[in-house]
Amino acid sequence: QKEVEQDPGPLSVPEGAIVSLNCTYSNSAFQYFMWYRQYSRKGPELLMYTYSSGNKEDGRFTAQVDKSSKYISLFIRDSQPSDSATYLCAASWGKLQFGAGTQVVVTP
Amino acid sequence: EADIYQTPRYLVIGTGKKITLECSQTMGHDKMYWYQQDPGMELHLIHYSYGVNSTEKGDLSSESTVSRIRTEHFPLTLESARPSHTSQYLCASSETTYEQYFGPGTRLTVT
Repeated sequence: QKEVEQDPGPLSVPEGAIVSLNCTYSNSAFQYFMWYRQYSRKGPELLMYTYSSGNKEDGRFTAQVDKSSKYISLFIRDSQPSDSATYLCAASWGKLQFGAGTQVVVTP
Repeated sequence: EADIYQTPRYLVIGTGKKITLECSQTMGHDKMYWYQQDPGMELHLIHYSYGVNSTEKGDLSSESTVSRIRTEHFPLTLESARPSHTSQYLCASSETTYEQYFGPGTRLTVT
């Protein structure tokens, strides 16, 4: 069983909609939770990270972690075509474990 | 902005050749990593280093080797390339284990 599970999508939304991405994890030892964005044929780029449970907001992006249910979420408000990419969740307690990534397509 | 560089960006090479993929970072990070990623698939850690003269194998078995003689440089070598090595190779560095900064990747094709 993978330690971080993520639906591969694709997830298609119209421009301006809210994008909602989710991951689940199994290892209770994870303390840091990350979201990376990867454009086609590029390396992943760190969007934001959260320590333990709680919310973190950065512009149009909000990350949420619920350790009681082992659930990681990312919300993108007012989505733009430039947000079209693969979004990878990740969790760490020493080593970084990545989810498989969810492909997001924002249509104009 | 992260400054991590990989060369070459694209490489097509014949079976049996020896290749070295270069990775350099200018951030002074002690920790460096190599990942393998097939198109549309997840990242797999193949090697990592937490400092000079320290290297470890990752979760995915790989026939490649790495070295870490200088903090900023973490090359990956394949002694004899095979078609099964065709993939994208991503290098990353970090100060912590969770805030990793990735290079642009090397797309390797072995014919």
